[in-house]
Amino acid sequence: GAVVSQHPSWVICKSGTSVKIECRSLDFQATTMFWYRQFPKQSLMLMATSNEGSKATYEQGVEKDKFLINHASLTLSTLTVTSAHPEDSSFYICSAISGRASYNEQFFGPGTRLTVL
Amino acid sequence: SQQGEEDPQALSIQEGENATMNCSYKTSINNLQWYRQNSGRGLVHLILIRSNEREKHSGRLRVTLDTSKKSSSLLITASRAADTASYFCATDASDMRFGAGTRLTVKP
Repeated sequence: GAVVSQHPSWVICKSGTSVKIECRSLDFQATTMFWYRQFPKQSLMLMATSNEGSKATYEQGVEKDKFLINHASLTLSTLTVTSAHPEDSSFYICSAISGRASYNEQFFGPGTRLTVL
Repeated sequence: SQQGEEDPQALSIQEGENATMNCSYKTSINNLQWYRQNSGRGLVHLILIRSNEREKHSGRLRVTLDTSKKSSSLLITASRAADTASYFCATDASDMRFGAGTRLTVKP
């Protein structure tokens, strides 16, 4: 099956710093990737849709200047949490759609746990 | 596998009818979530039901949870063409694994 990786798997940073999270599709090209966040014992919440070569589409209530998304290639999307604050501490998950996969199938990365002190 | 398994795989109904989808899981859970996915789009959270709840409503959505049977159902009442999408369930034990979903088609 298609594999999606994320790096780092966890990160601890000081308040006010910026953190970059990478999402890579390892064995397929992903024209579309999605970024989600999940608080403990809560649902996945879609943050944005990342399309290769174009600007990301953000969901309502998600600050695009705070969560910068770059999808520079067909195998890599990055999420940068700028000027992170403790309330940004969460589990961030990406997923990708493979053009080869069956209808609607998304492949999820393992997630990145961000802790902002 | 700890993922939720949805059933049926596909469901086609007329606008105005009700649609019922089922989800089964295997492990003990703290909560179960239902999501919708339109073609080529990300998963959108619909509703979360906790393990100590038996039924929950949100607009035209009604979710039930039977922890003894490890199953849940999602009912969409008075369906609309815009409800056409794939529907997935997940639990807090799913570890981001989703089943194949139920592909719902609502015909105008």
